[in-house]
Amino acid sequence: SAVISQKPSRDICQRGTSLTIQCQVDSQVTMMFWYRQQPGQSLTLIATANQGSEATYESGFVIDKFPISRPNLTFSTLTVSNMSPEDSSIYLCSGQGTAYNEQFFGPGTRLTVL
Amino acid sequence: AQSVTQLGSHVSVSEGALVLLRCNYSSSVPPYLFWYVQYPNQGLQLLLKYTTGATLVKGINGFEAEFKKSETSFHLTKPSAHMSDAAEYFCAVSPYSGGYQKVTFGTGTKLQVIP
Repeated sequence: SAVISQKPSRDICQRGTSLTIQCQVDSQVTMMFWYRQQPGQSLTLIATANQGSEATYESGFVIDKFPISRPNLTFSTLTVSNMSPEDSSIYLCSGQGTAYNEQFFGPGTRLTVL
Repeated sequence: AQSVTQLGSHVSVSEGALVLLRCNYSSSVPPYLFWYVQYPNQGLQLLLKYTTGATLVKGINGFEAEFKKSETSFHLTKPSAHMSDAAEYFCAVSPYSGGYQKVTFGTGTKLQVIP
């Protein structure tokens, strides 16, 4: 299994600003993903972070709002840009190994936008 | 296409009672199936998974789940609930296939354990 860390663990931000969330995996994983989990809801996939190339975004999510980088196999960042209160959520990073599509999750970043 | 339905967004059980969390899936190909647990203010932790072979799968913390193809179900059970089991539980499905396939999560079931 992989151990995944995220920082910051939580933040309170002002409307119109941006926040970059970092995700570090302790071993190489094939795939890395970013999810959003709004209060009381399930996980919504934002994008697949691709090493050395542009991320693959799900419907409803765009690169200008959620730019993602993955410079190597064990690190990725997600930026939430020009934030509004509707972006208040938990953002989760996950990594997937080579077997059975099993995903391992980071502890999440709890974002509040005022 | 694949989907997951978790019946009951909230389930309450008494401490020591049986825990049963229901999950039904839809998949056009044989699935991989997962249960994850999320404790308050934490990320998701894998409880157990079904890949192939034995249909009764045992996981951590005394949980188990049975893959029933005829019922397209993967219900999670634990014989005796403990206060520490209070958390949110997510069922997830992914197609059985070589290479990467997307994982689809259910809407979650919050388990409350009453002393």
